[in-house]
Formats: sequence, C-alpha cells, structure tokens
Amino acid sequence: SQQGEEDPQALSIQEGENATMNCSYKTSINNLQWYRQNSGRGLVHLILIRSNEREKHSGRLRVTLDTSKKSSSLLITASRAADTASYFCATDRWTYTGANSKLTFGKGITLSVRP
Amino acid sequence: SQTIHQWPATLVQPVGSPLSLECTVEGTSNPNLYWYRQAAGRGLQLLFYSVGIGQISSEVPQNLSASRPQDRQFILSSKKLLLSDSGFYLCAWIPPVPASGYTFGSGTRLTVV
Repeated sequence: SQQGEEDPQALSIQEGENATMNCSYKTSINNLQWYRQNSGRGLVHLILIRSNEREKHSGRLRVTLDTSKKSSSLLITASRAADTASYFCATDRWTYTGANSKLTFGKGITLSVRP
Repeated sequence: SQTIHQWPATLVQPVGSPLSLECTVEGTSNPNLYWYRQAAGRGLQLLFYSVGIGQISSEVPQNLSASRPQDRQFILSSKKLLLSDSGFYLCAWIPPVPASGYTFGSGTRLTVV
C-alpha cells in the first residue's frame, strides 16, 4: 500500500520560478525521503529528513517536515529546465531495535520546467 | 565506491515464459537489497527485500519470487510470466544501518506479450 501521497500530481512552471511539492503520509515514520526520476530511468536520492528534524537544505533544495500534520514539502528554488522529472516522496519506519528499512513511495509528481 | 548493476535494461517476453532479472552491488558488504516494481505513471511498489543471504521477505502475493544466492546478488524470477507482470523493475540497496537514502539501479523495462 502507498503511504505517501504527493500533490499536485503535475506541476508546470517557468524556468527561474520556485517549485513547491507536497507530500502527506498516514503512519508514524523514522524518516522521509525525496527522490527524482528522469523518464525511463532509475530513482536518484535527493534528500532525507529524519522525524526529529523540521527543515533541511541541500543546494537549491529545501525540505520541511511537520510530523504533527504528517506532511512534508520539497521546494526547488530557481528552477531549471534540467529539473524536469518526476519527484517522489517515500517514508521509512526503520528502527534500530525492530523494523527493517522499507521505503513506501507515493505516486509521484511530474514537474515540467519550461525554458 | 559503491555501484549497483541491473540487467537487462529492456526485455520483451511472451506470456508463460520464465523470467530472471539480476542485480549486483559492488563496494559494500551485507547490504539490504530490494526489488520494486513501477507500473506506468505510478509510484513504486515493494515486491521483495532481503537482509542477508538466503533471507527473502515478500511484500505482496504474486507470480514472482526472489533469491539471494550471494551477499551482493539479488535475483527476481518467475516460472511463467503473466501479462500483469509487465512493468519497470528496480533494484535498490542500502547499508544495514541506513545512513542515507537508497541507491537504485537503472531498472529493467519488462513487457510481457
């Protein structure tokens, strides 16, 4: 079953604009991750945020996590045409003492950045 | 450095034929290994994962099976393919104590005809 649900399902923006993508989930998590997938390719890990973190940055990426609302957002600033891809959030319930790591993915967001 | 190899990249197989997809990891020991399937326009569904040689956990009932004959080798198999087995199959790995995200292979596009 899918844990993460992203919105919007599709997003089209102009190069240079910021892109904001949201993800909601249903159960408790250890961490939440965002991945990128270019058409017909494997997934590339972008960023991981742990359940005790609220915000994380990596280059032009900014991720927030609100565990009380069970939601996360991914912000890509100053978007480029090369950012065109599908983006997935995934949650993990891994713990040191019990659960194995198993990522549960949402259906993804298709981002189109127009040059 | 760690790398993951997955092959073949594309495969067209008739209904009822067998399947064997292979995934190997280099540069790490005792990885956790995963097989995911992605239907067209959909998210990824976890099919199998393995925390060690010969240890396979199945997430969904299906026509497929997995095996881990060596520490860094993970194989996805079927004795008789169904049309519904078509999809994009992805192998992934992480260290036993996850420190970062998963590393995915480049995927196999399977079309059952």
